[in-house]
Amino acid sequence: GDSVTQMEGPVTLSEEAFLTINCTYTATGYPSLFWYVQYPGEGLQLLLKATKADDKGSNKGFEATYRKETTSFHLEKGSVQVSDSAVYFCALSHGSSNTGKLIFGQGTTLQVKP
Amino acid sequence: EPEVTQTPSHQVTQMGQEVILHCVPISNHLYFYWYRQILGQKVEFLVSFYNNEISEKSEIFDDQFSVERPDGSNFTLKIRSTKLEDSAMYFCASRDQGISNQPQHFGDGTRLSIL
Repeated sequence: GDSVTQMEGPVTLSEEAFLTINCTYTATGYPSLFWYVQYPGEGLQLLLKATKADDKGSNKGFEATYRKETTSFHLEKGSVQVSDSAVYFCALSHGSSNTGKLIFGQGTTLQVKP
Repeated sequence: EPEVTQTPSHQVTQMGQEVILHCVPISNHLYFYWYRQILGQKVEFLVSFYNNEISEKSEIFDDQFSVERPDGSNFTLKIRSTKLEDSAMYFCASRDQGISNQPQHFGDGTRLSIL
C-alpha cells in the first residue's frame, strides 16, 4: 500500500543554518504531496503542497519539489529561525481515492537553537 | 481565518467507558475526517465522512468506533468501550468539496487518556 518515510529526528540546528528534511514515498499513480507542521500544543497546519511532478511548493521560506523519478519531496529552508522549531510531517493524498485521506510519515522534530 | 475546533482538549476516561470526541469543522466544508496519533507514532487515518455517510475507514476503525454529524455543524467520534490502547491524540479535519488534492484543515486535537 501507499506509504511515506521521513528521516529520523530530532534534527538540531543553529539559527540561520540550512535545513533539509528528507521525505520519500511509495504510491501507485500520481499522489499529491504535502508538508504539515505542528507547533508545540497546536494542531497540524498545512505548510506547502505539490500536486504533480516537478511542482515546487513554497511557503514562509520553506520549499519542496515533487520528484517523481526519485519519489521524493524533501523539505528545505535556507536559514532557519528559532520559531521554526516544530514537528514536520510529510504526507500524501492519493488521487485515485476520492475521499482524499492523508497518509503521513512519522514526523521529524526540528529544534533550532539561538 | 476559519478553523476547525475540537473539544475537549484533554479527556480522561476509565477503561470500558464510552467516550465522545467533538469537532466543529469549517462551515462550508463537506468532507470530514478523524485521525489519531499514538504517542511517538505516526498520524493514522481512521475514517472519512461525506454526504452523511462514511466514505472510507481504516482497519483501526472497528465496531467500537462510530461517527456522526448530528446537527449539520458538529462531527463526533464515539468509542463505545474504550481500551488502554485507545490512548492517543485524536485529530479532526475537514476540506472543501472538490478534487482530493485540496488540503485538509486540522483542529488542535483531543488528547484521550484511558486509565
